[in-house]
Amino acid sequence: GESVGLHLPTLSVQEGDNSIINCAYSNSASDYFIWYKQESGKGPQFIIDIRSNMDKRQGQRVTVLLNKTVKHLSLQIAATQPGDSAVYFCAEMRTGGFKTIFGAGTRLFVKA
Amino acid sequence: GAVVSQHPSWVICKSGTSVKIECRSLDFQATTMFWYRQFPKQSLMLMATSNEGSKATYEQGVEKDKFLINHASLTLSTLTVTSAHPEDSSFYICSANPDGSGTYNEQFFGPGTRLTVL
Repeated sequence: GESVGLHLPTLSVQEGDNSIINCAYSNSASDYFIWYKQESGKGPQFIIDIRSNMDKRQGQRVTVLLNKTVKHLSLQIAATQPGDSAVYFCAEMRTGGFKTIFGAGTRLFVKA
Repeated sequence: GAVVSQHPSWVICKSGTSVKIECRSLDFQATTMFWYRQFPKQSLMLMATSNEGSKATYEQGVEKDKFLINHASLTLSTLTVTSAHPEDSSFYICSANPDGSGTYNEQFFGPGTRLTVL
């Protein structure tokens, strides 16, 4: 069935290193993807998004890459900081509405 | 930026009772809101789409008679968990899209409500 999932459930990185979080999706009709950050006991926080007609988008310290050929999405965080420790979700938003389908999530640990 | 609030932030109830959770858009109107459920160490699962002035649309497997949704105004949607049982204990999160928003990223999430059913 349709799904948006992740390759790695947990990721541990050293402070200052770059982090890469991966995501696979199965619905080739999806046209919009979003990365969210969720801290414990809080709602998701928007990080960055990308449309299906793009393959890369950069924000402040974050970059999202989209490979439609293999249906793969990644989030790159540069110079990871302790405040980046959280669970990260990729999500897809489908045409016809703003309904968002979330992937499984990756917990990022940043070691000082 | 736009703010979505939820009330209460946490609630503990006895098995068999009903619990109402409110989702409010504080500085914008939202014809459409969404309700999600999140179990520990799991992802957010979409439960239903709440539509102002019409019936909610439920995702497959979500019991509409158990999870009652009322979108009475353009700034308020409520989720009532009826006859709650321990397996309904979860983190309930809502989101809202500002009316007239033409960009996909205009979706704002509430802080969540932790429900514990004893």
